[in-house]
Parts: sequence; structure tokens; C-alpha cells
Amino acid sequence: AQRVTQPEKLLSVFKGAPVELKCNYSYSGSPELFWYVQYSRQRLQLLLRHISRESIKGFTADLNKGETSFHLKKPFAQEEDSAMYYCAPSNNAGNMLTFGGGTRLMVKP
Amino acid sequence: NAGVTQTPKFQVLKTGQSMTLQCAQDMNHNSMYWYRQDPGMGLRLIYYSASEGTTDKGEVPNGYNVSRLNKREFSLRLESAAPSQTSVYFCASSPPGNYEQYFGPGTRLTVT
Repeated sequence: AQRVTQPEKLLSVFKGAPVELKCNYSYSGSPELFWYVQYSRQRLQLLLRHISRESIKGFTADLNKGETSFHLKKPFAQEEDSAMYYCAPSNNAGNMLTFGGGTRLMVKP
Repeated sequence: NAGVTQTPKFQVLKTGQSMTLQCAQDMNHNSMYWYRQDPGMGLRLIYYSASEGTTDKGEVPNGYNVSRLNKREFSLRLESAAPSQTSVYFCASSPPGNYEQYFGPGTRLTVT
């Protein structure tokens, strides 16, 4: 069965500190991997996808196939980064996502 | 473009009552989805529809039914609501060949 684990329910850091949100997955095949974000009072939206290999709002995510991890990182957290973050691999057909339990990031001033 | 819209935004039901959650998208997407979001459990897929006229069960379909009325609309029905169905419900859509999903604003449902 496909499983996605985000081990930290809550991550609290100070502004300017580095942040890493962990994601481990158990999947057959080669899934496409995504990070979604939900800011307060806003709808869930795509933050970044592995295949595009881009940095969005200073966040990057590296796929480690050996460890089956897709951790989200940012070198200097900002207060506006406070939100819920969800890791989501797709199935091989690309028509379904499995969401992790989410990590709430709080960036303190 | 309004994107993905959902109605209602909030709803309170008594146990045993029925209701339908509405979802519509104006992006000409083929695939549509219904999720529920519970604290600590992320989003769990209830049903999805790969195209007009087709629907498939997701991870947690029990107690729900869906209708893909046309390409734009995908409704979720609770025939006999139970307190365990208290949750926030999200609808999403996705274009063909693109794994990204676009989400609606959610419906907060409370069953007492």
C-alpha cells in the first residue's frame, strides 16, 4: 500500500532560521512528488513539484530515491511561511495523489 | 476564471439528515476529486472522477455517493449523516496529463 509519512505535526522556528519539513514515502514505481501548502484562510495550493526542480518562495525539495524521502527546505524562514504543508506523491498513472498528515510550520518573529 | 467553487461554505446537520455538497470548475478539467480533511490525518480521497460519466472509490468512500453531472460539476452526497462525517470537505480538479490538482475553498460540515 502507498504510504506517506510526515513525522512532525508541528514545527516551530524563529524568523531567519533554516527549516526542513520531512516527508518519507513508501511507493511502488516512480511517483511524481509534490508539496502543497495551505495558508490561513486560503485554499490548498501547489507549492512545488519534483519534476520542475525549481525553487518557489525560497523553498526547494530534493528527492532521495534511496531513502524514499522528499524533504522540503528553506535556508531562512520568514513569518509569511507559517502554514500547513502537505507532501503528496502521485500514483504512476498520475491521476491520484496520496497526502501525508501535514506539518504545521510556525515561524516566530 | 473562478477556478474550483464549492457550496455551501458551512453546514450543520443532525444525525440521519442528508445533504449534497456541490462542486464546479470552469477550467475544462477532466478529472475531479472529493477529499475530507481531518486533523492529523491530512486529506483522504473519498471519490474521484477521471472523466464525465465515470466515478471511482477512493480511500474512504463509505457513507458517501457522488455524481459527475457533466464535465464541470461533481457533487458529493451524504444520505444519512453521522458524527464521524464531521470534517472539512475539499473538491479538486486536474487537467489531463498534468498531475497538479486545483482545490476549492472547502466546506466545513458538522454533524451533531
